[in-house]
Amino acid sequence: GAVVSQHPSRVICKSGTSVKIECRSLDFQATTMFWYRQFPKKSLMLMATSNEGSKATYEQGVEKDKFLINHASLTLSTLTVTSAHPEDSSFYICSARDPGRDEQYFGPGTRLTVT
Amino acid sequence: EDKVVQSPLSLVVHEGDTVTLNCSYEVTNFRSLLWYKQEKKAPTFLFMLTSSGIEKKSGRLSSILDKKELFSILNITATQTGDSAIYLCAVEDWAQKLVFGQGTRLTINP
Repeated sequence: GAVVSQHPSRVICKSGTSVKIECRSLDFQATTMFWYRQFPKKSLMLMATSNEGSKATYEQGVEKDKFLINHASLTLSTLTVTSAHPEDSSFYICSARDPGRDEQYFGPGTRLTVT
Repeated sequence: EDKVVQSPLSLVVHEGDTVTLNCSYEVTNFRSLLWYKQEKKAPTFLFMLTSSGIEKKSGRLSSILDKKELFSILNITATQTGDSAIYLCAVEDWAQKLVFGQGTRLTINP
C-alpha cells in the first residue's frame, strides 16, 4: 500500500489565492521530505528539501516566499503556493525516504490548476 | 552542476521486442542511481543501484550500473503494452536529493 500520501490530489483555484498541499509519510518517520514540480511532458524538478524542525532548503530559482514549506512533524510536510498565478499550474509531488529501507517513496502527486 | 541524461527520449517498439534504455550522469557525492516508471501519476520505484556490475532483476526488467563510465541501462525483455510509460532515471546524492533525467517515453504497440 501507499507509504506517502498527498492531499489534495487535485485542486483548482483562482489567481491570487493560496493553496496548501500536504505530504504525509504513513508508515515511517521522515526527518527530510522533498518537493518536486513536474511540467507537462517534462521530468521532475526538485524545488526544495523540507527539514523537520528547521527551515526548508530551496533550489536555485525557487522563490521561498512564494512556495512556503513547513515540516512541523516527522510525518507531515506542507507546501503552500501563495498568491497563485496561472504559471504555477503544475503537478507537485513530494517524496520521503524510509530510513529503514532502500527506497525513496513518492506521494501520488497534486495537480494544481490556477485559473 | 549535477546532470542526468537519458536516451533515447522516445522509443516505439512492437510487443515482444526487447528494449534498452540508457542513463548517463555527472553527479558529485553520488549515493545511488534509481529507475522509476511513471504512467499517469507519480513515479513508481523500479530499481536502486549502488554498486557497479551487479545486475538487479525483477521479472522482465533488469538494470545494471557502471560507476566507472557513469551510466546505467534498463532492459525490458518481451515487452507488453502495459510497459508503455515514461521511464525516469534519477541519481541520489548523500543529502538524499534526486536529480532526474528527462525521461524516456516508451510506447509498445500491439
